[in-house]
Amino acid sequence: AQSVTQPDARVTVSEGASLQLRCKYSYSGTPYLFWYVQYPRQGLQLLLKYYSGDPVVQGVNGFEAEFIKSNSSFHLRKASVHWSDSAVYFCAVSLNYNQGKLIFGQGTKLSIKP
Amino acid sequence: GGIITQTPKFLIGQEGQKLTLKCQQNFNHDTMYWYRQDSGKGLRLIYYSITENDLQKGDLSEGYDASREKKSSFSLTVTSAQKNEMAVFLCASSILGSAETLYFGSGTRLTVL
Repeated sequence: AQSVTQPDARVTVSEGASLQLRCKYSYSGTPYLFWYVQYPRQGLQLLLKYYSGDPVVQGVNGFEAEFIKSNSSFHLRKASVHWSDSAVYFCAVSLNYNQGKLIFGQGTKLSIKP
Repeated sequence: GGIITQTPKFLIGQEGQKLTLKCQQNFNHDTMYWYRQDSGKGLRLIYYSITENDLQKGDLSEGYDASREKKSSFSLTVTSAQKNEMAVFLCASSILGSAETLYFGSGTRLTVL
C-alpha cells in the first residue's frame, strides 16, 4: 500500500539555523508531492507542491523542497528559521490527479529555540 | 479569497450518540473532503465528494456517513460515537482533484464522554 513516512515526530532548531524535515513515500510511480503546514488551532495551509520538472521547488516564506526519485524522498528545507515557523509540518502525496486521495504523513512538530 | 467554515468548533457527545459535523465553503470548489486528525497519526481520509451528489469512501469510512447537500456544503455524521473517537475533524475543498491545492477549515474537536 502507498504510504508517506515522516521519521521525525519532533524537531527543535535554534532561530536562524537551517532546517531539514524529512519525508519519504512508498509508490513505484511519480506522485504529486506536497508540504502543508498547520499553525496552532488552525487548519492546514499549502507550503509548496511538486508536479514535474525542476526537482527543487520553492514555496512560501523561504521554504523549498527537493524531489529525489531514486530515494523516494521529498525533504523540506529552509536556510534560516524564524520563531514564527513553529508549527506542525505535513508531507502528502497524491497518486492520481482526480482520485481524491491525498495521503498524509504523520507530521513533524517544529519548535524554534530563541 | 474564500473561506471554509466548520461548525461546531467543539462537539461533546455521549458514547453511542449520533453526531453531525457541518462544513461550508465559498470557494465554489467542486471537491470536498473530510479528514480525521489523531495526535501522532497524521490525517486520514474519511469521505470525499468530487462533485455535488457524489460520495466516495476514504480509508476510514466505517462508522461514518456523509452527505453533500449542495456544492457549498458537506456534512459528516458519526453514526455511533465511541470513546476512542476523540479527534479533530478537518474539512477541506479543492478546485477539482486531490492534486490541486486543498484549502482547510480550522476543524471540529470531538470529545466523547
